[in-house]
Amino acid sequence: EPEVTQTPSHQVTQMGQEVILRCVPISNHLYFYWYRQILGQKVEFLVSFYNNEISEKSEIFDDQFSVERPDGSNFTLKIRSTKLEDSAMYFCASRAASWQFFGPGTRLTVL
Amino acid sequence: GQQLNQSPQSMFIQEGEDVSMNCTSSSIFNTWLWYKQDPGEGPVLLIALYKAGELTSNGRLTAQFGITRKDSFLNISASIPSDVGIYFCAGRTQGGSEKLVFGKGTKLTVNP
Repeated sequence: EPEVTQTPSHQVTQMGQEVILRCVPISNHLYFYWYRQILGQKVEFLVSFYNNEISEKSEIFDDQFSVERPDGSNFTLKIRSTKLEDSAMYFCASRAASWQFFGPGTRLTVL
Repeated sequence: GQQLNQSPQSMFIQEGEDVSMNCTSSSIFNTWLWYKQDPGEGPVLLIALYKAGELTSNGRLTAQFGITRKDSFLNISASIPSDVGIYFCAGRTQGGSEKLVFGKGTKLTVNP
């Protein structure tokens, strides 16, 4: 069964460093998403991406964040200068038509 | 922004008991979804509801989309230990990116 994959599973970084979180969406999907879940809290929408551009972003997704689909398979989330409050689980999701399928997440820890 | 109120926050039940949880919203959603999240994993879709009033089952799970399109409930019958996890409701916005808005989750503990 096709699935969304994410790497790394856990990333530890120093405050102020740049991180890139990687996702491989399901191959025939056209819509891609990043969500964030701070420990013990709900899943929050960050950004959606379609046809090689951002279609919607939340207020959380400020200038420190960017997304890219550098090739036909990867979808990345970059945080330019991480802050302590960026520590969270980051989930990638993709969809073809109706349902969004989520990856297993990357746990980002900012020290 | 859009908010979903999910209750209860947590439940502690005995194996074999039935469970009910619900979500309400001040806004209308065109689709309601229920996800389950195991520790360290991403949310997994359980049930999707597309029409107001729709009642849908998936094994021991039953969910309904409220008539007003502002609420939904999820029932689990005859709970088993592997039902343990966090259950999230999510509303899907109409048009645009069709992003999901999640509730805060219901943490379910099943005692064998």
